[in-house]
Amino acid sequence: YVLTQPPSVSVAPGQTARMTCGGNDIETKSVHWYQQKPGQAPVLVVYDDSARPSGIPERFSGSNSGSTATLTISRVEAGDEADFYCQVWDSGRDHVVFGGGTKLTVL
Amino acid sequence: QVHLVESGGGVVQPGRSLRLSCAASGFTFRTYGMHWVRQAPGKGLEWVAIIFNDGDTKYYADSVKGRFTISRDNSRNTLYLQMNRLRPEDTGIYYCAKDRTLDFWGQGTLVTVSS
Repeated sequence: YVLTQPPSVSVAPGQTARMTCGGNDIETKSVHWYQQKPGQAPVLVVYDDSARPSGIPERFSGSNSGSTATLTISRVEAGDEADFYCQVWDSGRDHVVFGGGTKLTVL
Repeated sequence: QVHLVESGGGVVQPGRSLRLSCAASGFTFRTYGMHWVRQAPGKGLEWVAIIFNDGDTKYYADSVKGRFTISRDNSRNTLYLQMNRLRPEDTGIYYCAKDRTLDFWGQGTLVTVSS
């Protein structure tokens, strides 16, 4: 199972960033999103398509429909700059699958 | 609070072995599945293995199957990764992570496979 993410997304501060994750029948799977800043471990920011862990700002939201899952960050801040990865469980092979990652640049 | 601390990384020659540990605290370790995930220098995340809370159900990425073994000691709240027949392409930071959503991660331990 393959998850496809655009390599990069750029957005100005205060604007909205949308990062996509494509996969076959992805709308039937639970998608999780991770933020990884340079030199740090990944942090879960959205799970089960659209749920937000405790401590994650409401600016982070997720959706999953029409063969694409999307992580949306509203009112982007300089501190949001990071690599973002989507992830699903491939039940056919009992494997965790990560997307290739999207680098978010705040202009 | 949840705390995961990896250890055991280092520099090792190709073909040799290494065992990583992940010490867990702040949650009921025995009730959660656990993962190993690695990241080669400058690359993305690659899932390595999962072990369910029962300790018997385990799955591996194709790239490590037959060479790596995941295990756990619920009495010591510790997760392990035994890595045999190491290759240069196994080089990277190895993270342990908790539960099906990988909701908490350790800071990682660096493994370098080089002659």
